[in-house]
Amino acid sequence: ETGVTQSPTHLIKTRGQQVTLRCSSQSGHNTVSWYQQALGQGPQFIFQYYREEENGRGNFPPRFSGLQFPNYSSELNVNALELDDSALYLCASSSLQDFYGYTFGSGTRLTVV
Amino acid sequence: DQQVKQNSPSLSVQEGRISILNCDYTNSMFDYFLWYKKYPAEGPTFLISISSIKDKNEDGRFTVFLNKSAKHLSLHIVPSQPGDSAVYFCAASKNSGGSNYKLTFGKGTLLTVNP
Repeated sequence: ETGVTQSPTHLIKTRGQQVTLRCSSQSGHNTVSWYQQALGQGPQFIFQYYREEENGRGNFPPRFSGLQFPNYSSELNVNALELDDSALYLCASSSLQDFYGYTFGSGTRLTVV
Repeated sequence: DQQVKQNSPSLSVQEGRISILNCDYTNSMFDYFLWYKKYPAEGPTFLISISSIKDKNEDGRFTVFLNKSAKHLSLHIVPSQPGDSAVYFCAASKNSGGSNYKLTFGKGTLLTVNP
């Protein structure tokens, strides 16, 4: 049974650029959620995808968008990067509403300069 | 507005003693609570949870207590081991109507267990 894999592990981008982060779900999971963890903060919910559709969204602007593919992998896209977007981005896969099976990846550390 | 609060950024205990990590919440709609543990360079891992219909849940060395009237929960680790040293996050969810897609996390408490 494979876990959740995120790529890349680290990334440095310039303000105004666009970035795509990737996540491969754990086998058997059909739901993917993305969280942003700023330094010294807890993870904050960005959005969740179920069956390739957005299933809920947190308080993030539209320049944060996502995709889920038929194989349940997912992408997080952020346009017009701002310095405050610097954070650890965590992907979590699960079966819908099964928090016991909420498996997090190790995250992508994004630095915006 | 921080709906889930962990007011102690850090806690240090001796090996073998009890560790008590605290969490307060403000949203009375929360009815399912979880604790996650996070080591550096790893994602959070699920530790233990409790539904609002209970006031205690135990799993080995880990026990979570819920006081709904005070909107307070705590995680007890007995006995504490050096391998328990990690950041512990409290999280909450509204588990109603099948809309429980979102976890609200606290800022975390860094637990250090000294040998």
